[in-house]
Amino acid sequence: EVHLVESGGGLVRPGGSLRLSCAASGFMFNTYDMTWVRQAPGKGLEWVSYSSNSGTYIYYADSVKGRFTISRDDAKNSLFLQMNSLRAGDTAVYYCARHGLDGSGRYFDSWGRGILVTVSS
Amino acid sequence: SYVLTQPPSVSVAPGQTASISCGGNKIGRKSVQWYQQKPGQAPVLVVYDDSDRPSGIPDRFSGSNSGNTAALTITRVEAGDEADYYCQVWDSSSDHYVFGSGTKVTVL
Repeated sequence: EVHLVESGGGLVRPGGSLRLSCAASGFMFNTYDMTWVRQAPGKGLEWVSYSSNSGTYIYYADSVKGRFTISRDDAKNSLFLQMNSLRAGDTAVYYCARHGLDGSGRYFDSWGRGILVTVSS
Repeated sequence: SYVLTQPPSVSVAPGQTASISCGGNKIGRKSVQWYQQKPGQAPVLVVYDDSDRPSGIPDRFSGSNSGNTAALTITRVEAGDEADYYCQVWDSSSDHYVFGSGTKVTVL
């Protein structure tokens, strides 16, 4: 069974940093592209960042580009999101999601339960 | 940037059919996904690549995509289908994934 478990969230002051982790199990992590998606309280889903299975291709939403860095450690079956220069608008539940392998692969077939990041003074 | 437009809400009686639209410029040329999200839970993929269903998703859920509009159709609606539904595409021109604003489905 596929498991994705996020950790590293919490309360941080504006301008601060936080590193999220996503521990994957139940599948061959190094085969899959991975993505971070966030959801502000009471709002919709917002894609944040993508990493191809090799880490060769990496993309960011305009709202986080230059502040967030996605990375992965295939040896540890883990995905990371380094978040710097955090703003109140970054307050959200952050989800780690796995891309599908069938067809286009441009979809997210498994999701973690999410981790809350609160940016506030 | 690419924009997906969804109606904020759809109401449907149990046993009837709900249809949720997702509008976007020439969206028919893109692969469209749909996610179901219940309160306090992570999203669940219900349709991918316009009309394919992941294993475990009932065939009451179906998708279509043509021209400037994609749609998710839920037949024989049940109380358990009450949730927020989001469409999603990959925009190759910007290398961005895009979500629609979401549609709240209420079962009367």
